[in-house]
Amino acid sequence: GAVVSQHPSRVICKSGTSVKIECRSLDFQATTMFWYRQFPKKSLMLMATSNEGSKATYEQGVEKDKFLINHASLTLSTLTVTSAHPEDSSFYICSAPQGMGVYEQYFGPGTRLTVT
Amino acid sequence: GQQVMQIPQYQHVQEGEDFTTYCNSSTTLSNIQWYKQRPGGHPVFLIQLVKSGEVKKQKRLTFQFGEAKKNSSLHITATQTTDVGTYFCAGRYAGGTSYGKLTFGQGTILTVHP
Repeated sequence: GAVVSQHPSRVICKSGTSVKIECRSLDFQATTMFWYRQFPKKSLMLMATSNEGSKATYEQGVEKDKFLINHASLTLSTLTVTSAHPEDSSFYICSAPQGMGVYEQYFGPGTRLTVT
Repeated sequence: GQQVMQIPQYQHVQEGEDFTTYCNSSTTLSNIQWYKQRPGGHPVFLIQLVKSGEVKKQKRLTFQFGEAKKNSSLHITATQTTDVGTYFCAGRYAGGTSYGKLTFGQGTILTVHP
């Protein structure tokens, strides 16, 4: 199946700093990617839809200035958590749909963000 | 808004027992997908159901899509320890692009005792 990578897998940062997370589709092109946030033993909360060459579409309640998304190429989307605070600590996971007619989502391995 | 409710939240079974998780949407779904997330891992696609009343099987797993395309279930027969993980349903609503977003259920965490 298709492979999606994420980098870094874990990051610890100080409050007030910004953190960039990369999501790459390794063996297919993805005009659309999705960014989720997942709390321990909880579901995946869709944050935004990343669109190659255009602005991201954010879900209600997600601050676009806080979570900057850039989809500069057909294989790379980045999520930047700006001015991070402890409440931003979470598991961030991206996905990209791929396939003919089914469009199953291939998920990256996720990034564990801890803000101290 | 569009929501997919999934129950139960947790399920503990003895190895060999059956397991079922249910999903329900208040509005009609275009299709529904099922994912499995192993502890510490990321969600992995299991299957997609599209047609009203559709039933699909994968070895010990049986997936159903309701006649009204508002509910779905995943049934595992004779669970094994390898079935441990969180099972998510994810619904896609009509409209939007083919790559349209999925609305995930809350997930059911399955624990299997040997």
